Amino acid sequence: AQTVTQSQPEMSVQEAETVTLSCTYDTSENNYYLFWYKQPPSRQMILVIRQEAYKQQNATENRFSVNFQKAAKSFSLKISDSQLGDTAMYFCAFMKQLLTGGAQKLVFGQGTRLTINP
Amino acid sequence: DVKVTQSSRYLVKRTGEKVFLECVQDMDHENMFWYRQDPGLGLRLIYFSYDVKMKEKGDIPEGYSVSREKKERFSLILESASTNQTSMYLCASRAGGNLRTEAFFGQGTRLTVV
Repeated sequence: AQTVTQSQPEMSVQEAETVTLSCTYDTSENNYYLFWYKQPPSRQMILVIRQEAYKQQNATENRFSVNFQKAAKSFSLKISDSQLGDTAMYFCAFMKQLLTGGAQKLVFGQGTRLTINP
Repeated sequence: DVKVTQSSRYLVKRTGEKVFLECVQDMDHENMFWYRQDPGLGLRLIYFSYDVKMKEKGDIPEGYSVSREKKERFSLILESASTNQTSMYLCASRAGGNLRTEAFFGQGTRLTVV
């Protein structure tokens, strides 16, 4: 089974600082997608950024970027110029196609609780 | 906007009861998922479905079953609720096909089994 591991249960930084959240995953697949999702205190989970396994170029979305190291199976999230609204649980996720029909499996890590302090 | 609606925000049930958690999406998505969220354990996949009547076991299916009779609705069933099933349950849906498509989540159901 695919596993996704986030080794940092909690992190805390000052506003405007840069923070990096780590994620490692285990798979024998070559074709898959990786995601970072954010769950603010209101609980609705939303997508932050995504990365295709075949692309070597790291994805970026404004202040959010990833460091994707395929050989090391590492997928970290960097948040630059952090803001109070970035305070949330962050989940790393792995998506792959199963061999059975159209099934696509999405699994998540344990999450990192990030607090941005004023 | 995609809307994923879970039938209840909070639910309290007694041990041994049969419990139904309902999830409805309005975007004709093929894929639907049920997760439970527990502190320190993250989101763990219970069951998922990729079409009407099609389902796959996730990583922790024991004690649960699912039903997908219509494309827009995916139900999670606890046949005989136990206290260790007290948790936050999250439903998600996404379009099938390309692996890059994002999942959209419901607001969650906090289930307490007493």
